[in-house]
Amino acid sequence: QLQLQESGPGLVKPSETLSLTCTVSGGSISSSSYYWGWIRQPPGKGLEWIGSIYYSGSTYYNPSLKSRVTISVDTSKNQFSLKLSSVTAADTAVYYCARQTAGPRTAVVVIPVWFDPWGQGTLVTVSS
Amino acid sequence: QSALTQPRSVSGSPGQSVTISCTGTSSDVGGYNYVSWYQQHPGKAPKLMIYDVSKRPSGVPDRFSGSKSGNTASLTISGLQAEDEADYYCCSYAGSYTFQVFGTGTKVTVL
Repeated sequence: QLQLQESGPGLVKPSETLSLTCTVSGGSISSSSYYWGWIRQPPGKGLEWIGSIYYSGSTYYNPSLKSRVTISVDTSKNQFSLKLSSVTAADTAVYYCARQTAGPRTAVVVIPVWFDPWGQGTLVTVSS
Repeated sequence: QSALTQPRSVSGSPGQSVTISCTGTSSDVGGYNYVSWYQQHPGKAPKLMIYDVSKRPSGVPDRFSGSKSGNTASLTISGLQAEDEADYYCCSYAGSYTFQVFGTGTKVTVL
């Protein structure tokens, strides 16, 4: 059974870069059937998609975060990572990683469909 | 990028049915049949309940059903049970630029 586990610092200072890693176990990250995504949830608020990476390395980011986000994949470690730069208190949230099934291929993109499974989430607080 | 609109809360008594709406635009919900629904209990990770508008993953009770009309998708819980009390989020593919958008979330209360 596929499992995902987030890891990284729980406290980041304002203006610094938030870095998280998601380790995938029970399956290979190198499959054309899936994207690998990051989603966050500020305390008491809703879910926000951050970005996703396809097995080929193609990345797609939330337009509102695009200038600060980098998602990468390390197939040798079966991991993918998130970097969010210039963080502020507004970036305080529980960060989830999730596998996202890849749907039909269009001329432009392979359409991402549902997120399943999810990691348990990790709380990152931005504070000095 | 605007979140899909969901009612803040819905409630029902055990055994009743409740329906949660998820309203978007022709660029997301209305343009594609790639709407999914997630259940989230407090302190837990979201769980996939419905995908591709109306399909249920293995293990999800058949009292959960999904549908779509125009720019609005809906999740219906029939025969409401105490364990269905949770937050529910919709999510839709939104084209090759915006890519993915979640709903604002709905709290379901079992009275």
